Amino acid sequence: NAGVTQTPKFQVLKTGQSMTLQCAQDMNHNSMYWYRQDPGMGLRLIYYSASEGTTDKGEVPNGYNVSRLNKREFSLRLESAAPSQTSVYFCASSKLAGGPIASTDTQYFGPGTRLTVL
Amino acid sequence: DQQVKQNSPSLSVQEGRISILNCDYTNSMFDYFLWYKKYPAEGPTFLISISSIKDKNEDGRFTVFLNKSAKHLSLHIVPSQPGDSAVYFCAAKNPSGTYKYIFGTGTRLKVLA
Repeated sequence: NAGVTQTPKFQVLKTGQSMTLQCAQDMNHNSMYWYRQDPGMGLRLIYYSASEGTTDKGEVPNGYNVSRLNKREFSLRLESAAPSQTSVYFCASSKLAGGPIASTDTQYFGPGTRLTVL
Repeated sequence: DQQVKQNSPSLSVQEGRISILNCDYTNSMFDYFLWYKKYPAEGPTFLISISSIKDKNEDGRFTVFLNKSAKHLSLHIVPSQPGDSAVYFCAAKNPSGTYKYIFGTGTRLKVLA
């Protein structure tokens, strides 16, 4: 039982390049999330998926797209990377459907992807 | 505008003593609060939570206190152990907001052996 896994762990991109961050969970969770963490700021929600087949914008969605490929996998894509997207990206999942609306559902986080955009 | 604030970026405590981590929030509508612990190169892990209908929740060495009138919560770790050295995030749930969970910026705790 690996929990939430993310690939890659580290990535360096040049401005304008694209890439996809992968996330998978093996806990049969319904909701999945993508956050970014920047120095001096709390985790901020980029996108979430309240159930398989649905995705919704979070607090900071601009410059990103997501795909809920199946119940296990939730990917985050940067179409044209910018230096402002340099950050640590965390994927998370929670048991209940409904995403952030699920009342007190605990989120389980992956180890993160450290992305640098030059 | 930070709705959840952790004003102490770091804290050092001697092993065996009490660690007190603080968190302030601005929105009285927040109804559920969590603490997460994060080790380097790992994702945050859930530690303890408290509902706004309570003022205290205890789990082993960890106790969270909630003072709704002051919009303040604190995490007490007694006794502190070197393995507790990590970054601690508080998070608050807004039942009426779109994004629900709002995280603080974190406090780095170092427990000295």
